[in-house]
Amino acid sequence: DAKTTQPPSMDCAEGRAANLPCNHSTISGNEYVYWYRQIHSQGPQYIIHGLKNNETNEMASLIITEDRKSSTLILPHATLRDTAVYYCIVRVLVPNNDMRFGAGTRLTVKP
Amino acid sequence: DAGVIQSPRHEVTEMGQEVTLRCKPISGHNSLFWYRQTMMRGLELLIYFNNNVPIDDSGMPEDRFSAKMPNASFSTLKIQPSEPRDSAVYFCASRNHGGRGNTGELFFGEGSRLTVL
Repeated sequence: DAKTTQPPSMDCAEGRAANLPCNHSTISGNEYVYWYRQIHSQGPQYIIHGLKNNETNEMASLIITEDRKSSTLILPHATLRDTAVYYCIVRVLVPNNDMRFGAGTRLTVKP
Repeated sequence: DAGVIQSPRHEVTEMGQEVTLRCKPISGHNSLFWYRQTMMRGLELLIYFNNNVPIDDSGMPEDRFSAKMPNASFSTLKIQPSEPRDSAVYFCASRNHGGRGNTGELFFGEGSRLTVL
């Protein structure tokens, strides 16, 4: 997705926080930031999304800068099972319905 | 909930043969998506439906590809004739579009791995 820029790969030590950055400098006021991940050959899995405020759920935290031009997905205590490709996507909630994925960041959690 | 169900999980066929991939979305979801994933091109959106109506098929590679959604609980993606370059994993996904409190979360099936020889 040309609207977002992510590093192609990152490493993280098991038990440490994984901080995955995403740049979306052209984001519009009504566009949300979504994060998905894809473990091995499974279908992508929703993680979290947000508009302006920081968000947290049982999987991760999403930190969005005040100007909304970038965000960071935080996995607070990475495990080996968090090794996956992480996708950052920006899109409006309605009326457009499409969800287009870019190349993502391949996160490798190492023991 | 059984989730999004795709079939077949694996298919190996010869060039020129017709391939039909099937998808059953999550009950109550009104949007359905077909994606194709390859190492070279990543995860590509092929087509999506709202309330069984195709909304955007601009990602469908060519006329050999067609998709239908005859009812809310079933969709097919057909390739005729198939070519080796169609080898990929095809994912189906669904969600409840536009509902109050809707998060826009997409639920994916496990994919259909297609190999065209």
